[in-house]
Amino acid sequence: DAGVTQSPTHLIKTRGQQVTLRCSPKSGHDTVSWYQQALGQGPQFIFQYYEEEERQRGNFPDRFSGHQFPNYSSELNVNALLLGDSALYLCASSWGGRSEAFFGQGTRLTVV
Amino acid sequence: AQSVTQLGSHVSVSEGALVLLRCNYSSSVPPYLFWYVQYPNQGLQLLLKYTTGATLVKGINGFEAEFKKSETSFHLTKPSAHMSDAAEYFCAVAYSGAGSYQLTFGKGTKLSVIP
Repeated sequence: DAGVTQSPTHLIKTRGQQVTLRCSPKSGHDTVSWYQQALGQGPQFIFQYYEEEERQRGNFPDRFSGHQFPNYSSELNVNALLLGDSALYLCASSWGGRSEAFFGQGTRLTVV
Repeated sequence: AQSVTQLGSHVSVSEGALVLLRCNYSSSVPPYLFWYVQYPNQGLQLLLKYTTGATLVKGINGFEAEFKKSETSFHLTKPSAHMSDAAEYFCAVAYSGAGSYQLTFGKGTKLSVIP
């Protein structure tokens, strides 16, 4: 079992650009949550996807959007990147959103 | 609304000494509580969780935590620190809403173990 896998591991983008991050959940999991972890901070909840729909959303602007595919994998899209979007983006998967959440190793996004 | 406060952004202990990492939570409903560990350049690994039942929770790697409702605390302890315990530790709270739950994390405590 490969666990939760995220790609890419590192990414450098320019202000104003758009970025797409990808996540494959742990086998048997159907729910994917995304978190943003700024340097020196705890992770902050962005949103959660279940049955291909956004089920819950944290306090993030509409520039942050996502998608879940029929195979439960997920994408996080960020438009009009700001310097403040630089962070480690973590994906977590669970079953039904109520079981233990397993985290991937994250994607380190740097906006210059 | 819920929140988590971790007291001490950095804790240093000697190898073999007691590890105590403090966590206080605020929640308007009965909480689910978690401790996660993060090693450099890695994701988060669950150490232990409290949902219902016994208030003393045992986790992996010899860690345990006690849920104290009267003190709104969920402190993490380990009797004897090992060098491999050096990492960042995050306390998190969740409540069940809309059939699922989202985690609210504290800012983390970096644990250093001195040989």
